[in-house]
Amino acid sequence: AQKVTQAQTEISVVEKEDVTLDCVYETRDTTYYLFWYKQPPSGELVFLIRRNSFDEQNEISGRYSWNFQKSTSSFNFTITASQVVDSAVYFCALSDLYSGAGSYQLTFGKGTKLSVIP
Amino acid sequence: DAGITQSPRYKITETGRQVTLMCHQTWSHSYMFWYRQDLGHGLRLIYYSAAADITDKGEVPDGYVVSRSKTENFPLTLESATRSQTSVYFCASRADRMAEAFFGQGTRLTVV
Repeated sequence: AQKVTQAQTEISVVEKEDVTLDCVYETRDTTYYLFWYKQPPSGELVFLIRRNSFDEQNEISGRYSWNFQKSTSSFNFTITASQVVDSAVYFCALSDLYSGAGSYQLTFGKGTKLSVIP
Repeated sequence: DAGITQSPRYKITETGRQVTLMCHQTWSHSYMFWYRQDLGHGLRLIYYSAAADITDKGEVPDGYVVSRSKTENFPLTLESATRSQTSVYFCASRADRMAEAFFGQGTRLTVV
């Protein structure tokens, strides 16, 4: 079965600090996709990134970067020089290509609430 | 408008009443999902669907019914609402099992 664990329930940082949000996953499949979503205080869910299991290169987008390590089943998200606008709940999610019962689910972690203090 | 829309955005209902939450997407995505979001639980999957007339139970399906007679619509019905079903409900769709999901704005449901 799929499982996503975000062990950090809440994190507070002071503006301009770097912060890393952890995500650990479990899957029965060798081909899978990982995602990060942002939920700002307004409540909508915003897609940030998708990564497939065959691409272990780190990715950087502006102040955001993602570190995918298959060996540790982790897909961590780092925000550099955090800003108040980064305050949100961040969700990690997993989808595999298993074709048996319970397939095609998109499973989310419980989320990490990030508060950036000015 | 293109995208995925949920209605209503807010709903207050009484215990025991039937209530239906609507979800409509304009992309013709095959896959659709219903999640509920509660403090401390994140997003929990209620039901999902791979295509019209194909639905499956997720993690927390009890007390809910879904149907998918058309690709673009995926309504969620609470047959007899209970206070424990007070939550924020999100509908989502995705083109295939490799794609990202897109979410509706959410429906805040209060059962009194």
